[in-house]
Amino acid sequence: AQSVTQPDIHITVSEGASLELRCNYSYGATPYLFWYVQSPGQGLQLLLKYFSGDTLVQGIKGFEAEFKRSQSSFNLRKPSVHWSDAAEYFCAVLGGAGGTSYGKLTFGQGTILTVHP
Amino acid sequence: KAGVTQTPRYLIKTRGQQVTLSCSPISGHRSVSWYQQTPGQGLQFLFEYFSETQRNKGNFPGRFSGRQFSNSRSEMNVSTLELGDSALYLCASSLEGVEQYFGPGTRLTVT
Repeated sequence: AQSVTQPDIHITVSEGASLELRCNYSYGATPYLFWYVQSPGQGLQLLLKYFSGDTLVQGIKGFEAEFKRSQSSFNLRKPSVHWSDAAEYFCAVLGGAGGTSYGKLTFGQGTILTVHP
Repeated sequence: KAGVTQTPRYLIKTRGQQVTLSCSPISGHRSVSWYQQTPGQGLQFLFEYFSETQRNKGNFPGRFSGRQFSNSRSEMNVSTLELGDSALYLCASSLEGVEQYFGPGTRLTVT
């Protein structure tokens, strides 16, 4: 069964600093990978996704992520953090092509991002 | 295009009661997935419906059930509520069950 690990429960950065949130997954084949963001009391917003092809993917709000098969990682990055980026970030995996995997996302435990002015 | 809507947004129920939550997916989406989010367990998959059929199910007791209608709207039902069912329930819609877009959630409190 697939699993996702986000090693950092809480990260604090200063506004304008760069950001990297770590995500490691466990899955036999190439998975479909996602990053979501959640503000307090809200639903999840899709930031970006990786299915195949170019291992560096761009998302909304200036975020990007890099898929590294050799490290089973899909880390999220942003060059310059804004105060409005403070939220909780979730990495998720969907098993590869196949009807039995569709619809089921497995999430990491989340990383809470605090941004200092 | 309108996003995913969930009703009600907040709900307070008593132990032993049952509850029904509703989810209206994005127009054209045929897949609806449900998730439970709690501080202790995080985000956990409940089940997924595609074209009115349950295609995938998580590890939850039979008290949790769902259905999907011909217009892709979905409902989930929890019978005999327990205190531990207090959570944020999220539904997500997608075309085929891959790229999922989430609703704002229903906050259920069981007292």
